[in-house]
Amino acid sequence: AQTVTQSQPEMSVQEAETVTLSCTYDTSENNYYLFWYKQPPSRQMILVIRQEAYKQQNATENRFSVNFQKAAKSFSLKISDSQLGDTAMYFCAFVSYSGAGSYQLTFGKGTKLSVIP
Amino acid sequence: DTEVTQTPKHLVMGMTNKKSLKCEQHMGHRAMYWYKQKAKKPPELMFVYSYEKLSINESVPSRFSPECPNSSLLNLHLHALQPEDSALYLCASSHPGTRSPDTQYFGPGTRLTVL
Repeated sequence: AQTVTQSQPEMSVQEAETVTLSCTYDTSENNYYLFWYKQPPSRQMILVIRQEAYKQQNATENRFSVNFQKAAKSFSLKISDSQLGDTAMYFCAFVSYSGAGSYQLTFGKGTKLSVIP
Repeated sequence: DTEVTQTPKHLVMGMTNKKSLKCEQHMGHRAMYWYKQKAKKPPELMFVYSYEKLSINESVPSRFSPECPNSSLLNLHLHALQPEDSALYLCASSHPGTRSPDTQYFGPGTRLTVL
């Protein structure tokens, strides 16, 4: 079974600054995927960024990038030029195949990020 | 259209009531999921349907009964619930994939309160 740990329950950042959210995981698998999801207050959860474990290059999506350290089993999310709309709960998720074409997400406990004007 | 819709948005029910939650998507996804999310906690997987067949039941009590009548619809039938079942129930869907996972698209959820 996989476990996902987010050690920062809450964080805050000034608007336009950069913040890094940490995530570590434990698995015995060699090929896997990791996702970061964002859940704004009272709004639906959306995918922020994804990383394939077999890719050495860190994924980037506009202002969002990851620092993926496979040997250390670490998958941190960096948000540059933070905006008020980035205020949300951020969940790190380990993705495992559950059969018949479906995938199972194992979430960390989440980090509540507040962007301060 | 990348939308997953869920109805109702809010539901209050007594422990003897029978109610249903509905989830719908028109993205052609053939994998659909039910999650339960308690306040300030991550979502917990309940059920997975793949090609309209139940593929995963995470040891969910029988008072929760899922149904997938077609590839666009997913229902969760509720009966004799307990107050501790009060939570946000999230539906998600994705394209099935064997080589790599597709993004799971989440609905806004149904906020359930059991009295």
